[in-house]
Amino acid sequence: DTAVSQTPKYLVTQMGNDKSIKCEQNLGHDTMYWYKQDSKKFLKIMFSYNNKELIINETVPNRFSPKSPDKAHLNLHINSLELGDSAVYFCASSQGMQAGSPLHFGNGTRLTVT
Amino acid sequence: SQQGEEDPQALSIQEGENATMNCSYKTSINNLQWYRQNSGRGLVHLILIRSNEREKHSGRLRVTLDTSKKSSSLLITASRAADTASYFCATDASGSNYKLTFGKGTLLTVNP
Repeated sequence: DTAVSQTPKYLVTQMGNDKSIKCEQNLGHDTMYWYKQDSKKFLKIMFSYNNKELIINETVPNRFSPKSPDKAHLNLHINSLELGDSAVYFCASSQGMQAGSPLHFGNGTRLTVT
Repeated sequence: SQQGEEDPQALSIQEGENATMNCSYKTSINNLQWYRQNSGRGLVHLILIRSNEREKHSGRLRVTLDTSKKSSSLLITASRAADTASYFCATDASGSNYKLTFGKGTLLTVNP
């Protein structure tokens, strides 16, 4: 009955590889997000989608490509991984984009690039 | 630019004591939210305070908002060891297309 689930939980890969992280929410929410948390715990928004439409693209390198096949899923594909991509990536969802809609987070994917 | 800045960065208290964390931000906001993150887990929404509110309570949590000083505080009363976590404020800036901006968090340790 997990509300926001993302896979995999851990991802260890080498520089230059391409990898994907998947996210699914069963809350019936319209809006989904990707956030990146660095080693100092700073959490920064990357993308948001509302009903499969890209709303926020926060100056993320174009090696990162989100895809939303339907409003319950938001996947993140990363090309040509770099050392600096190592972080914890969180998927989240909210009821909508109305001010005050709380975000529901997944438990994160820890990406380590070696 | 980063919106919320929590202070202190780390706080260690004994069980039963109160814990106060502060958050400052830079621009006009629609609302401010507080989240908790347990180690190795995602963030969990705790409480939201709107820009026209000054104080809000939820169980052992009390949040205040001073829009003139662009600051908020989160008070956890009668702390428990299970409250050990990182606490983040998040601001929803006016006109931001609901882009919640998080601070770096306060790591709270409650010692039994």
